Amino acid sequence: KNEVEQSPQNLTAQEGEFITINCSYSVGISALHWLQQHPGGGIVSLFMLSSGKKKHGRLIATINIQEKHSSLHITAPHPRDSAVYICAVRPRRDDKIIFGKGTRLHILP
Amino acid sequence: DAGITQSPRHKVTETGTPVTLRCHQTENHRYMYWYRQDPGHGLRLIHYSYGVKDTDKGEVSDGYSVSRSKTEDFLLTLESATSSQTSVYFCATVEREGLYEQYFGPGTRLTVT
Repeated sequence: KNEVEQSPQNLTAQEGEFITINCSYSVGISALHWLQQHPGGGIVSLFMLSSGKKKHGRLIATINIQEKHSSLHITAPHPRDSAVYICAVRPRRDDKIIFGKGTRLHILP
Repeated sequence: DAGITQSPRHKVTETGTPVTLRCHQTENHRYMYWYRQDPGHGLRLIHYSYGVKDTDKGEVSDGYSVSRSKTEDFLLTLESATSSQTSVYFCATVEREGLYEQYFGPGTRLTVT
């Protein structure tokens, strides 16, 4: 059983269509990360959360610690937002970080 | 950007040869990690370090060893490369425990023929 589950695995949407990517985890955590990876590219940290909500431009990340769930929203996505989005958690009292398998997002012009 | 570099960026090697990948950081971050990324698996932890000379195994450590003799350098060695170790390898750092960002290196694409 994966400790970090993302859904959907693949998502295709039209430019401008609000999208949501979900992440559920099964362990107590000290932090949750959302990462972005463009095809053939490196990995960039988008958000780090321990509670509540964060916003950066058109990206919004929320976390519900009690329900062990986080969402990443993109308002009005562009084709350049097409990438793999990865959820990762840092368990409490652990040095390791556990990754989800990623959600491949494709935004059509 | 935590100033993380990886070398080499690409390597093709033959089965049975030793290979060493280097991760170098300029930010004095305490934690360093080596991951491999393969289709269908996402990022998997090979080894990590929580300080100079302090390392521990991850979930896919068989066939790999690491060393950290200086804060800024974390080396990953494949003692005898196998085709199953063909992958993209990422190094990452975290400043310290708690709510701190992860920073990733650009990756090394390794092909074992």
